[in-house]
Amino acid sequence: QQQVKQSPQSLIVQKGGIPIINCAYENTAFDYFPWYQQFPGKGPALLIAIRPDVSEKKEGRFTISFNKSAKQFSLHIMDSQPGDSATYFCAAALGSGNTGKLIFGQGTTLQVKP
Amino acid sequence: DAGVTQSPTHLIKTRGQHVTLRCSPISGHKSVSWYQQVLGQGPQFIFQYYEKEERGRGNFPDRFSARQFPNYSSELNVNALLLGDSALYLCASSFVGALYEQYFGPGTRLTVT
Repeated sequence: QQQVKQSPQSLIVQKGGIPIINCAYENTAFDYFPWYQQFPGKGPALLIAIRPDVSEKKEGRFTISFNKSAKQFSLHIMDSQPGDSATYFCAAALGSGNTGKLIFGQGTTLQVKP
Repeated sequence: DAGVTQSPTHLIKTRGQHVTLRCSPISGHKSVSWYQQVLGQGPQFIFQYYEKEERGRGNFPDRFSARQFPNYSSELNVNALLLGDSALYLCASSFVGALYEQYFGPGTRLTVT
């Protein structure tokens, strides 16, 4: 119940394409869902996050879609660029609790070809 | 503004040795969390501290310990190192009012030989 399952493991798109990364969770107590971007040799950087009371959130070229009934959420990267090539992690947390434990997915390695 | 800083950047230790990793949070953040990231996997939660007390602990053996100092910086200690402890150790900081909104440092790459 504490797992977050992420797919696909890897993804290759052409520049300008819209890669989509999916995550699923079981624990309905989770109420905060962030996405992180990680470049080789760096720590994860917080990209965008969503709460279950919102079905979609956009920040720049990044969009999270959230389906509460299906317990799934996804990241879309609009007009992808070679600089977006990185590993992306979804995560989940009990946002209203007194702990900030983040449960991460396994990660998706994205390659954007020029 | 300075982000989360961690030291050292890289570390090589021998099995059985002890290691101490250090973390300084973003200015204004009073909570620090530690994660272990094995190559090819997502980060795994180890500890969370705020107000100098342990507030959460992941599924790690007692060889792992941590503490937080009055200036909110933190140390992660690992005793009796095993080969399997080789990983990137990440520190994240957050406001106490938003513990889940975590900002990560660059990590310390620990290699155990």
